[in-house]
Amino acid sequence: QQQVKQSPQSLIVQKGGISIINCAYENTAFDYFPWYQQFPGKGPALLIAIRPDVSEKKEGRFTISFNKSAKQFSLHIMDSQPGDSATYFCAAGSNQGGKLIFGQGTELSVKP
Amino acid sequence: DTEVTQTPKHLVMGMTNKKSLKCEQHMGHRAMYWYKQKAKKPPELMFVYSYEKLSINESVPSRFSPECPNSSLLNLHLHALQPEDSALYLCASSALLAGIGETQYFGPGTRLLVL
Repeated sequence: QQQVKQSPQSLIVQKGGISIINCAYENTAFDYFPWYQQFPGKGPALLIAIRPDVSEKKEGRFTISFNKSAKQFSLHIMDSQPGDSATYFCAAGSNQGGKLIFGQGTELSVKP
Repeated sequence: DTEVTQTPKHLVMGMTNKKSLKCEQHMGHRAMYWYKQKAKKPPELMFVYSYEKLSINESVPSRFSPECPNSSLLNLHLHALQPEDSALYLCASSALLAGIGETQYFGPGTRLLVL
């Protein structure tokens, strides 16, 4: 019940296309859903995060869509660029445990 | 300054060695974390310190020993490691516990190879 399932495992998108990564969870106590971006040789960095009181959050080319009833959330990267090529992790947290539960990651490759 | 620094960047050690990883942050954060990350896998939580007290230990083997000497420093002492412990060790910090919605800042990691 503590798991966060992420798909796809890898994704290839053409430059200018839309990248979509999906995550699903079971624990209804989760109330914080961040996305982290990790480049090779670097630590993960927070990209964008959402709370379940909103269904969508947009920051520049990055949008989180949140479906509370389905217990799913997704990351959309509009106008994908080669510089977006990285591994993306969704995560979930709650004030009950204090820790983040990470998804398995998606390796995104944006082709020029 | 939102930087978490980690030293060393790379470490090679034998199974009988004792070594330490160091992590430092000057953001005034009160929660600090150690994660282990294998290639193409998510970060795996090992330990959480909150206000310099160990609050979460994810059943990590005793050959890993964390220490939080003060609010800015976090150490991970390594002893009698196994080759399967080879991984990227990430330190992170957040103002308060990350699960409640605090941004977690990661360091660049220490790449450890156990021979």
